Amino acid sequence: GAGVSQSPRYKVAKRGQDVALRCDPISGHVSLFWYQQALGQGPEFLTYFQNEAQLDKSGLPSDRFFAERPEGSVSTLKIQRTQQEDSAVYLCASSSLWDGDYGYTFGSGTRLTVV
Amino acid sequence: QKEVEQNSGPLSVPEGAIASLNCTYSDRGSQSFFWYRQYSGKSPELIMSIYSNGDKEDGRFTAQLNKASQYVSLLIRDSQPSDSATYLCADLTGANNLFFGTGTRLTVIP
Repeated sequence: GAGVSQSPRYKVAKRGQDVALRCDPISGHVSLFWYQQALGQGPEFLTYFQNEAQLDKSGLPSDRFFAERPEGSVSTLKIQRTQQEDSAVYLCASSSLWDGDYGYTFGSGTRLTVV
Repeated sequence: QKEVEQNSGPLSVPEGAIASLNCTYSDRGSQSFFWYRQYSGKSPELIMSIYSNGDKEDGRFTAQLNKASQYVSLLIRDSQPSDSATYLCADLTGANNLFFGTGTRLTVIP
């Protein structure tokens, strides 16, 4: 596609519910990143994929967070047993491995509200 | 602990003035820096990247990098109301991910 596509755009979950957030990167982009952005804060790194390999998951806040990219394109971020502190915008970004400017392109994000 | 610090603002400038946004970073090893603009409720979009000491100009935008002092700045000339947004400074970590500051909210007053 022309840009990074994320779905759903908005998600309301009851505390304790599991959620799955989807990211469809720009076609051919090797690198894919997930960020979490709380209100009034900058995006915080969660995890990074190069193709299907998850090279860095150091930003995942707990073992309730899990990400995958099984075929090296679409990625899913799963949050189990959601808590109120998980409420945030989850941003996905992709880039070409050969992009010298490292200009990551962000999707529109998924706004997760845990009630 | 890696840090990228920005004044959260808000920074208000009149239309047509120069807006100056500043950022300091803690990691002396950082080599690549980025300015992103984020409108309310929207995703960040890349404005400029800078890797070398000195100035880099692109239209009304000028990025400045001083590695000795560990600061990066963004100047916006002839500010327009459409420039009103939050500006995020980021550096590229050795692990190839972006580390963001908290952002500076800019308001351009018509």
